[in-house]
Amino acid sequence: AQKITQTQPGMFVQEKEAVTLDCTYDTSDPSYGLFWYKQPSSGEMIFLIYQGSYDQQNATEGRYSLNFQKARKSANLVISASQLGDSAMYFCAMREGTSGTYKYIFGTGTRLKVLA
Amino acid sequence: EAGVTQFPSHSVIEKGQTVTLRCDPISGHDNLYWYRRVMGKEIKFLLHFVKESKQDESGMPNNRFLAERTGGTYSTLKVQPAELEDSGVYFCASSQQLAGGPIAKNIQYFGAGTRLSVL
Repeated sequence: AQKITQTQPGMFVQEKEAVTLDCTYDTSDPSYGLFWYKQPSSGEMIFLIYQGSYDQQNATEGRYSLNFQKARKSANLVISASQLGDSAMYFCAMREGTSGTYKYIFGTGTRLKVLA
Repeated sequence: EAGVTQFPSHSVIEKGQTVTLRCDPISGHDNLYWYRRVMGKEIKFLLHFVKESKQDESGMPNNRFLAERTGGTYSTLKVQPAELEDSGVYFCASSQQLAGGPIAKNIQYFGAGTRLSVL
């Protein structure tokens, strides 16, 4: 069954350092998309980065990159040069491509705190 | 451009009462989704509209929940009568009509959610 697992309920990182947030997934669909969202204290979920299952290269968006290891079914988010504003809840999500549904499946999230 | 807007941001009601949540999607987005996060758990899909039609309502927990999207613009989610286990944060999201391909990117843009507390 499709599932997203985020094993880190909380993480701390020093400002300006890099941090990796873990995400593993389970699906039997060969076509799928993986997404990361950030939820600051304001509540709005902000889209960060996307990786398609057929993409040959790891996705990057500014300071965000996705370490996609297909064989291990992992899609870890790497934030480089952490900033205080990166403190937030981070959610990993997946959408299966051939299931006929557009719904996302989410993990339980990781709360990141950046320390000054 | 305005993002996804949800009203109210917080609602506190007593068990047995009725509550209606509203979502205004991004203008021009045909797809509208409702999700729910119960405290400490994962965000779960409730249903998906394409314009005014329900495309997928497989996540709706029971018939106490009624979602509508008249005219294909804003949507409402009514809970009647509310139970204690309905407490949580209800998120709305919208996305553009998908382009072709087996894995269309389909980025869903979320609102800030409505926190529902049933006492």
